[in-house]
Amino acid sequence: ILNVEQSPQSLHVQEGDSTNFTCSFPSSNFYALHWYRWETAKSPEALFVMTLNGDEKKKGRISATLNTKEGYSYLYIKGSQPEDSATYLCAFRITGNQFYFGTGTSLTVIP
Amino acid sequence: DAMVIQNPRYQVTQFGKPVTLSCSQTLNHNVMYWYQQKSSQAPKLLFHYYDKDFNNEADTPDNFQSRRPNTSFCFLDIRSPGLGDAAMYLCATSARGEGRETQYFGPGTRLLVL
Repeated sequence: ILNVEQSPQSLHVQEGDSTNFTCSFPSSNFYALHWYRWETAKSPEALFVMTLNGDEKKKGRISATLNTKEGYSYLYIKGSQPEDSATYLCAFRITGNQFYFGTGTSLTVIP
Repeated sequence: DAMVIQNPRYQVTQFGKPVTLSCSQTLNHNVMYWYQQKSSQAPKLLFHYYDKDFNNEADTPDNFQSRRPNTSFCFLDIRSPGLGDAAMYLCATSARGEGRETQYFGPGTRLLVL
């Protein structure tokens, strides 16, 4: 079983603040790193799929970076809004269709 | 809209009584996955189908079985649910199971075992 860790477990930020959180994964057998946003009572929604060391992806106010050599990815949210409140999950993929998820970071944005 | 549908959203069963959870997709994807997420834990892959090829994770208990009668539908059967099987069960799909593909998830079925 591969260990994927996310930190912090939860955080509360004020509307307008920028924030970031971390996904740590094994640096060997890397195939891809996925980020998802999961709002309560909805389906997890894909944010990014990252495959190359040094990858940077951006979607609106959300961006992510990837360091496969040291085994981490950062997710950044600029100018947090209440609608950003969700659990953010990362999933580490090795070859084949094997995915290992972290426990998620629960973000609450306070208006 | 193309999507992944899971029914029911909530399922209550009795200890030891077989239960089936269903997943359907309108995306025409080759790969379908079942995950189990227990409270405060990470989603854990139970198994996946690539077309009709079934791929079981090594640590998935025998109590969990799956069927995929056609491209659109996939079922999770729990033969004798125990209290420890209470969890959120997520179904997901991907087009061809390749590296850059994302997974598309259903909203999940929350199973309660009494």
